[in-house]
Amino acid sequence: EDQVTQSPEALRLQEGESSSLNCSYTVSGLRGLFWYRQDPGKGPEFLFTLYSAGEEKEKERLKATLTKKESFLHITAPKPEDSATYLCAVQGSSNYQLIWGAGTKLIIKP
Amino acid sequence: EADIYQTPRYLVIGTGKKITLECSQTMGHDKMYWYQQDPGMELHLIHYSYGVNSTEKGDLSSESTVSRIRTEHFPLTLESARPSHTSQYLCASSPRGSSTDTQYFGPGTRLTVL
Repeated sequence: EDQVTQSPEALRLQEGESSSLNCSYTVSGLRGLFWYRQDPGKGPEFLFTLYSAGEEKEKERLKATLTKKESFLHITAPKPEDSATYLCAVQGSSNYQLIWGAGTKLIIKP
Repeated sequence: EADIYQTPRYLVIGTGKKITLECSQTMGHDKMYWYQQDPGMELHLIHYSYGVNSTEKGDLSSESTVSRIRTEHFPLTLESARPSHTSQYLCASSPRGSSTDTQYFGPGTRLTVL
């Protein structure tokens, strides 16, 4: 059964304190792994798609990496405006629907 | 820039009322989706459409219905709202022809049924 688990559920950091969010997944035939950012009361905002193990993508202070079992979202020197819930989803080859994790709520304190 | 719109943004109604949540996109995407999201929980797919006159139910059992008469419009209807329908409803779309399904979301409708 396709499954996505995100950890930790919540992460509190000081401004400038780098860290990583984890997305562990099991899926038959990975087509893509997706990272989204969601602000309170809003819809998810697309960040990255990763397709195969070893791939990395960057956007400002965020870098996403992918292995055969998990993905990390690294945040470098975060700012308070990076506070949001970060969602991970996977798409497998047997089921075209996205399977979502519950998200990690990231809080950056000034 | 994703252009996908949902109305209303917030809705408070009484039990038994019929409601329609609107979703429109201006990107010409063929695929559209409705998700339900409760606080701190995963998104659950309730309906999807791969094109005009095509609709399917998702994994989450739902008492809602959808229609897809025009490419840009994908409304969701609840015939008789109940307190258990209280949730955040998210509409999304994605283009046809891609091997992966990058979805773009609207701002959501927060529904409260009293």
